[in-house]
Amino acid sequence: DIQVTQSPSSLSASVGDRVTITCRASQSINDYLNWYQHKPGKAPKLLIYAASMLQSGVPSRFSGRGYGTDFTLTISNPQPEDSATYYCQQSYSAAWAFGQGTKVEIK
Amino acid sequence: EVQLVESGGGLVQPGGSLRLSCAASGFTSSSYWMHWVRQAPGKGLEWVSRTNRDGSSATYADSVRGRFTVSRDNTKNTMYLQMNSLRGEDTAMYYCAREYYGIVAGYYSDYWGQGTLVTVSS
Repeated sequence: DIQVTQSPSSLSASVGDRVTITCRASQSINDYLNWYQHKPGKAPKLLIYAASMLQSGVPSRFSGRGYGTDFTLTISNPQPEDSATYYCQQSYSAAWAFGQGTKVEIK
Repeated sequence: EVQLVESGGGLVQPGGSLRLSCAASGFTSSSYWMHWVRQAPGKGLEWVSRTNRDGSSATYADSVRGRFTVSRDNTKNTMYLQMNSLRGEDTAMYYCAREYYGIVAGYYSDYWGQGTLVTVSS
C-alpha cells in the first residue's frame, strides 16, 4: 500500500505569514494528491485536487504544488478562520490513504 | 443539492456487530464510487473502504479487511458498512464520501456526510 507522510504535525502562525505543509508519498503517485481541511464537528472539506487544482469556492490564498513523491500545501496570508487540521490524501492506488494531519493555529 | 447522511452509529460491545448506512440525495448515486472514512477520538482521518458503482467490487484498509463489508442498494440510494468483530480501536466517527473522477482532475472526495459515531466499549 502507498503511504503518505505529512509534516509538521502542528504549527502556529500569524495573519500575514506564509504557511507551508509538506506531504511525501512512499512511491510515485504522479499528481494523484489531494488536500482537505477539517474542523471539529464538521465534515472534511476539499481544498486542492490533482496536487495543484483549487476546488471551486476555495480562497486563492490556498495553493498546492508537487509531482511524483513530494507535495506542498501553502496558505498565503492565512486568516483566523484557516485554523484547522489539514490532511493530504493519495488517490493513486485502489486503497487510498491520508497523511497524519497537520494542526494549524492562526493567531 | 448533494447530501450524504450517515446513520446507524451507537454503542456496541467488543466482538459485536453494527451496520452503518449512508443515504445519498441530490445526485444519481449509481454513477459514483463511494467511500467510508473514519476518525478515532484525538486521531487523524483514516480511509476505510471504497466501493464501485454497482457494489460488485470493494477495497478495504488492512485494519478492517475481513471484518468490515461495504455494500450498496442503488434503488434506495444507500450505501452500507457492515462491521463485525468490533474492537475498541474501531471507536470513531464514520463518514461517507462521494468519489469524483476526471481525466485531468484525477480522483478525490468532493462531498462528505456529517458522520455517525461508533463507540465500542463494554
